[in-house]
Amino acid sequence: QQQVKQSPQSLIVQKGGISIINCAYENTAFDYFPWYQQFPGKGPALLIAIRPDVSEKKEGRFTISFNKSAKQFSLHIMDSQPGDSATYFCAAHSGNTGKLIFGQGTTLQVKP
Amino acid sequence: DSGVTQTPKHLITATGQRVTLRCSPRSGDLSVYWYQQSLDQGLQFLIQYYNGEERAKGNILERFSAQQFPDLHSELNLSSLELGDSALYFCASGRGSLQETQYFGPGTRLLVL
Repeated sequence: QQQVKQSPQSLIVQKGGISIINCAYENTAFDYFPWYQQFPGKGPALLIAIRPDVSEKKEGRFTISFNKSAKQFSLHIMDSQPGDSATYFCAAHSGNTGKLIFGQGTTLQVKP
Repeated sequence: DSGVTQTPKHLITATGQRVTLRCSPRSGDLSVYWYQQSLDQGLQFLIQYYNGEERAKGNILERFSAQQFPDLHSELNLSSLELGDSALYFCASGRGSLQETQYFGPGTRLLVL
């Protein structure tokens, strides 16, 4: 019940295309859903986040879509650029403990 | 730059040894979280400290321990090291005790030979 399942494991997209990464959770006590971006040799950096009472949040080229009834959320990267090539992690925040539960990560490669 | 600092950046040691990883949170943040990142397990929450007190525990081995000092920096102690402990260890910091927004440091890469 504490798991967050992320797919796909890897993704290759052409420059200018849309990258879509999906996550699913089971625990309805999760109260906050961030996405982190990680470049090789660096720590995860907070990219965008959403609360379960909102269905969509957009920041620049990055959009989170949230489906509370299905317990799923996804990250859309519009106009994907080679600089977006990184590993992306979805996460869910446990309001009871404060810890983040991470998905397994998606390695995105954007081809020029 | 997240404002979270971690030292050392790399650590190479032998099985059976003990190491200490250090983390300084962002200015004003009272919570420190420790995470382990390995290829097969992904990012796993280990333990959280808030204002000097242990707040939450995750998948932390008994050989591992942590503490947070009065100046709010934190140390993660790993003892009786095994080959499988080789991983990236990240700390993250946040304002509150149940902080949703967590900022990660650059990590310490531990290699146990």
